[in-house]
Formats: sequence, C-alpha cells, structure tokens
Amino acid sequence: EVQLVESGGGLVQPGGSLRVSCVGSDFTFGRYWMTWVRQAPGKGLEWVATIKQDGSEKYYVDSVRGRFTISRDNAKRSMYLQMNSLRGEDTAFYFCVRDWGGGDAHWGQGTLVTVSS
Amino acid sequence: QSVLTQPPSVSAAPGQKVSISCSGSTSNIGNKYVSWYQHLPGTAPKLLIYDNNKRPSGIPDRFSGSKSGTSATLGITGLQTGDEADYYCGAWDDSLTAGVFGGGTKLTVL
Repeated sequence: EVQLVESGGGLVQPGGSLRVSCVGSDFTFGRYWMTWVRQAPGKGLEWVATIKQDGSEKYYVDSVRGRFTISRDNAKRSMYLQMNSLRGEDTAFYFCVRDWGGGDAHWGQGTLVTVSS
Repeated sequence: QSVLTQPPSVSAAPGQKVSISCSGSTSNIGNKYVSWYQHLPGTAPKLLIYDNNKRPSGIPDRFSGSKSGTSATLGITGLQTGDEADYYCGAWDDSLTAGVFGGGTKLTVL
C-alpha cells in the first residue's frame, strides 16, 4: 500500500527554523514530482512548493520563496522542506503529496508546525 | 483571497445532486488541467478528479468533473451523508509558476 509519512513538525519560535520530512513507501519515489501543501487552522488548503523527479526544478508560493527550501533524496525515498525565518502565519499542517494534480496523486496525513513564542 | 473562486458552502438532501463551481483565469484553469479533492478534517485529502474529468480507480462514478473556459465544475449525484466534507479545486498557474487552490466548499447533506 502506498504510504507517505511526514515528520519533523513541532513548536518553534517566530524567526526560528524547522525541517519537515516525508518518506514514501511502496512506490518508485523517484518517478514523481513531489509537493508540499499546507492547511492553517480553520483555513483552506494552500500549495507551498514542488520539486521535479531529479530535483532540477523547484517552484514556490510567493509567501515562502526565499525562506523555505524544498529538496529530495530519491535513494532515501524522502522529501524535505527546510523552513527558515518562520512566522506565525506559517502555522499549519504540512502535507506531503505525490503527483499533485495528476492521476497518481496521493497525500500523507500531515505534520503540524506551530510558530509561536 | 484564493486565486480560484469556489462557493463557501453548498447543501442538498440525501439522494440529490449538487454542483460545485471553481472559477479562475486564463493563466490557470483556462489553459491547465483542474483537479478536485475531498477533505474530511483530520484526514488526508483524497483525489476525486484529475485532468478536468478523469476519476482515479476507486472513485465512484457519482463524482464527475467538467471544464469550460476559465471555470470548472465538480458534480456529485446520489448524495450520501458520508459525502459531507470540504471540497477543493486545484490547478497550476503559469503566471505565478505555482499551484493554486480554491478556497474550499463545505458540502452539507441535509
């Protein structure tokens, strides 16, 4: 069964840094674009960033560009989101998504990032 | 303010049908594929429709998608209480070079 498991969420102070991870299993991880999507408490889904199969292309939503960095390690079947200069509005569940927008789309359960002093 | 516009809520009785609209522009829906997701709080969102009107395996044909110009529509027939959830449309936006979602529509099955 295809699984995506996020980890690394937690409480961090404003201005701090955090790295969340996603590990995939039961599929060929390196075949897919991978994406991070987040949902702030009481809000809708927000697309955050995406990375091509070989890591050669990366795209970000304007609100995180320059602060967040998406990366992947296909040998470890893993994707990462390094989040720096965190703000209160970054508080959200962060979901890992395989093939966002495509027919093989699959979502993880999410990891909660809370930015608060 | 979301790039794609959805109604905040829709409702209908069990067994009835409902349509959820998603309005965008030529930089997203007008020239890109639309996908639809069902999200129950506390769970992982689920893909319902991709490439405007295709259903992944396991999604019943009660769910359908269509697109015309810069708008898309999700249709659900034979409503069940288990369909109560938030529904989101999504698409790539060439101007933003980013993915975009609608604000979400809460479906209530009365």
